[in-house]
Amino acid sequence: DVKVTQSSRYLVKRTGEKVFLECVQDMDHENMFWYRQDPGLGLRLIYFSYDVKMKEKGDIPEGYSVSREKKERFSLILESASTNQTSMYLCASSLLIDRGLNEQFFGPGTRLTVL
Amino acid sequence: GQQVMQIPQYQHVQEGEDFTTYCNSSTTLSNIQWYKQRPGGHPVFLIQLVKSGEVKKQKRLTFQFGEAKKNSSLHITATQTTDVGTYFCAVYSGTYKYIFGTGTRLKVLA
Repeated sequence: DVKVTQSSRYLVKRTGEKVFLECVQDMDHENMFWYRQDPGLGLRLIYFSYDVKMKEKGDIPEGYSVSREKKERFSLILESASTNQTSMYLCASSLLIDRGLNEQFFGPGTRLTVL
Repeated sequence: GQQVMQIPQYQHVQEGEDFTTYCNSSTTLSNIQWYKQRPGGHPVFLIQLVKSGEVKKQKRLTFQFGEAKKNSSLHITATQTTDVGTYFCAVYSGTYKYIFGTGTRLKVLA
């Protein structure tokens, strides 16, 4: 059974703090993704990674960075948190596209509030 | 860039009524996926469509991919309270990533 876990369900931080969101998957998936979800805007891709140490910008990378040192772990970093980064953050993983069905498996999400 | 429009944004139905959400793309799609997110939950994969004109069914859910592969629909027959949630389409945009639609939030009134 595929499992994607995220380090926190709820997080409250102050403006200017450095924030780390961790995601771990246990299915040996090559692809990992970070999205943010805001009402009326759906899921927007921040960054993704298709291999260890590889990262690609998504649609809204500004203010974020990522790290993938191990295949199973993908971290999202907010270098200096701002109030407009208050959101639900969802991590997902999948097999590579060319290996057939590549549904994304999502973690439970981290609701981040920046004060 | 590629745009994905999903309509309607919200839909309230009486239990037992049918429901349809539509996903429209500005470009021809290689495939499309549908996800469901229950209130307070995370998106869960429902299905993937690949072929032009493809129709797939899962119990009361019917998924259709347009002939021109630019649109798709999800139809629920005789909604139940368990169908409550937000339904997202996701289209492959190349280089390993998908673009998600804005979602349709379904509320079922008992």
